Amino acid sequence: GAVVSQHPSRVICKSGTSVKIECRSLDFQATTMFWYRQFPKQSLMLMATSNEGSKATYEQGVEKDKFLINHASLTLSTLTVTSAHPEDSSFYICSAATGTGGGGYTFGSGTRLTVV
Amino acid sequence: KQEVTQIPAALSVPEGENLVLNCSFTDSAIYNLQWFRQDPGKGLTSLLLIQSSQREQTSGRLNASLDKSSGRSTLYIAASQPGDSATYLCAVRGGGTASKLTFGTGTRLQVTL
Repeated sequence: GAVVSQHPSRVICKSGTSVKIECRSLDFQATTMFWYRQFPKQSLMLMATSNEGSKATYEQGVEKDKFLINHASLTLSTLTVTSAHPEDSSFYICSAATGTGGGGYTFGSGTRLTVV
Repeated sequence: KQEVTQIPAALSVPEGENLVLNCSFTDSAIYNLQWFRQDPGKGLTSLLLIQSSQREQTSGRLNASLDKSSGRSTLYIAASQPGDSATYLCAVRGGGTASKLTFGTGTRLQVTL
């Protein structure tokens, strides 16, 4: 089945530094990928929609200058958390539409970001 | 704006019981509905996908139903096992190409020995 690979699974960074998270579709092409954020014991919150070859579409309230998204190819989207602060600590998950099987979505394994 | 609610928020059952998780959504104009499982600190695993034209889907001990007109879906788990312990999320997809998912609040399930 369709697989989305997300790296790293865990990252700890110092306040003020930037962190890049990668999301790859391994066996299919993903024109569109989605980035979510999840707080403890809460559901997923959509941050932005990543479109290959064009600018990402951000949800209301999400700072596009803080969360930079690049979707340079049909198999790779990256999320960069710039000038990270402790309040950016969270679980980040990406997903992509598989394009087959009726329009289901496949999710990455997530990245636990801790900013110290 | 689509809103998705799941009831109950948490559930604890002894091993072997059959159980039902509920999901309701406010806008019936959906493309499909997907049930996911999430283990602590992990990503989402897709369990079942129901198209808007379908009424149910089955996979092993899992059966999901969809009543689009009333904005409801249920996930039935037969003969529950401790390994079923996880958070279950339902998500609805709106119309349009690669449209986004709206997630429910989740049901935390614990199956005890």
